[in-house]
Amino acid sequence: DAGVTQSPTHLIKTRGQQVTLRCSPISGHKSVSWYQQVLGQGPQFIFQYYEKEERGRGNFPDRFSARQFPNYSSELNVNALLLGDSALYLCASSLVDSEYNEQFFGPGTRLTVL
Amino acid sequence: GNSVTQMEGPVTLSEEAFLTINCTYTATGYPSLFWYVQYPGEGLQLLLKATKADDKGSNKGFEATYRKETTSFHLEKGSVQVSDSAVYFCALRGATGGFKTIFGAGTRLFVKA
Repeated sequence: DAGVTQSPTHLIKTRGQQVTLRCSPISGHKSVSWYQQVLGQGPQFIFQYYEKEERGRGNFPDRFSARQFPNYSSELNVNALLLGDSALYLCASSLVDSEYNEQFFGPGTRLTVL
Repeated sequence: GNSVTQMEGPVTLSEEAFLTINCTYTATGYPSLFWYVQYPGEGLQLLLKATKADDKGSNKGFEATYRKETTSFHLEKGSVQVSDSAVYFCALRGATGGFKTIFGAGTRLFVKA
C-alpha cells in the first residue's frame, strides 16, 4: 500500500509569491495534518483537517491556509511568501481524529524562498 | 501550554555503545508520548509510542517508558549500529493540546563504526 504522498518534492519561489503544496493520505485515512519543519528544529503544527473540516490551527499567520477535499487529499497554500517560510513542509495522515492513532508522515516538500 | 524538551545533540557514539536520549514533557493531563526518527532527506517515521503511565514502548531494540512522576520518556537502546544514525524527535499528543503533535527540537545521533 502506498504511504502518504506529497508533491512537489522540492520548490523554489521568490518573496511575495504564492505556493500550493499537495498531500494524499494513506487510503482510508480521513485525518490530515500539516507541519512546518525549519532546518535544525522540530516540526511545528500548522493545520489539522478531519472529514473536510478544520479541527485545529497552529500559531501561523493568515497567509497560511489549507483545505481537504472529498477524497481526503489536502492542499496547503501560503501567500505572500517570506524568506522565513523556507522549510520542509510535512503532511501526516491518520485513520481517525484521535490522540491515540499513529500519524503517518509523508516525505515532505522542501520549499526554498529566495 | 504543552511542550517537549529533549537533550541537545549531536550525540556521537561508537558502534555497540549504549544510547540514552533524554526527553521530558510539560502537559496538563495525560498525553500520549511518541519517539519519531528522521533519516537524512526523509520524512518522520514513528519509532515507538506509549499512551498511558508506566507503558513501555519498544521497537527495533529501542525502548522508552512513560514516567508520569518524572514527566519523562527517555529513549534507550542497548547496542547502537551505524544504521541508527539519524535525528530523533520526542513528541506528545492529546491531553489539553488537542490532536496536534508537539515535537521536541530533535537530537542528532552519529554512530561511528
